Amino acid sequence: AQTVTQSQPEMSVQEAETVTLSCTYDTSESDYYLFWYKQPPSRQMILVIRQEAYKQQNATENRFSVNFQKAAKSFSLKISDSQLGDAAMYFCAYTGTASKLTFGTGTRLQVTL
Amino acid sequence: GAGVSQSPSNKVTEKGKDVELRCDPISGHTALYWYRQSLGQGLEFLIYFQGNSAPDKSGLPSDRFSAERTGGSVSTLTIQRTQQEDSAVYLCASSCPPQRGQNSNQPQHFGDGTRLSIL
Repeated sequence: AQTVTQSQPEMSVQEAETVTLSCTYDTSESDYYLFWYKQPPSRQMILVIRQEAYKQQNATENRFSVNFQKAAKSFSLKISDSQLGDAAMYFCAYTGTASKLTFGTGTRLQVTL
Repeated sequence: GAGVSQSPSNKVTEKGKDVELRCDPISGHTALYWYRQSLGQGLEFLIYFQGNSAPDKSGLPSDRFSAERTGGSVSTLTIQRTQQEDSAVYLCASSCPPQRGQNSNQPQHFGDGTRLSIL
């Protein structure tokens, strides 16, 4: 079975600074996808970024980028130029042949002035 | 709106009662998923529908839980004889059909969820 581990229950970053959220996963599959979702207090899960395992290039979406280390099964999220609106729960998630998403337990990000 | 719609937004009921939660996916999305998020936890997969295929029910925690998807669109998650441990946010997601030659890797789009509280 696949597992996703987020070892940082809470993180804090100052506005305009950079923060990195960690995620590791375990799988025996070779074809899979990794995601970062953001969940503000409104509860809706918002897709931030996704990475295909077969791609070596790290995905980037504006201020959000990932460091995908396939051999180490690591998938960290870097948020640059942090904004107050980035404050939320961030979930790392995995999907492979089973289609369903397997989520980590989340990291709560606080953004301070 | 064009997003995934869930109703009700909040539901409070007494232990032992049955509840029905509704999900209206994005038009054209053939895949529909139900997840449960207990307080302070990540999301736990419950059930997955893909087109006319048999649903993947592997995440349902007990036989008190069931789900239907009528006409390939709206889905209803039913919890019978509710227990206090059923209290959680129930999230629904939908996604586009998988592209040719690839697994079901299309991003899942989530609704706002139903917060279920069992007294």
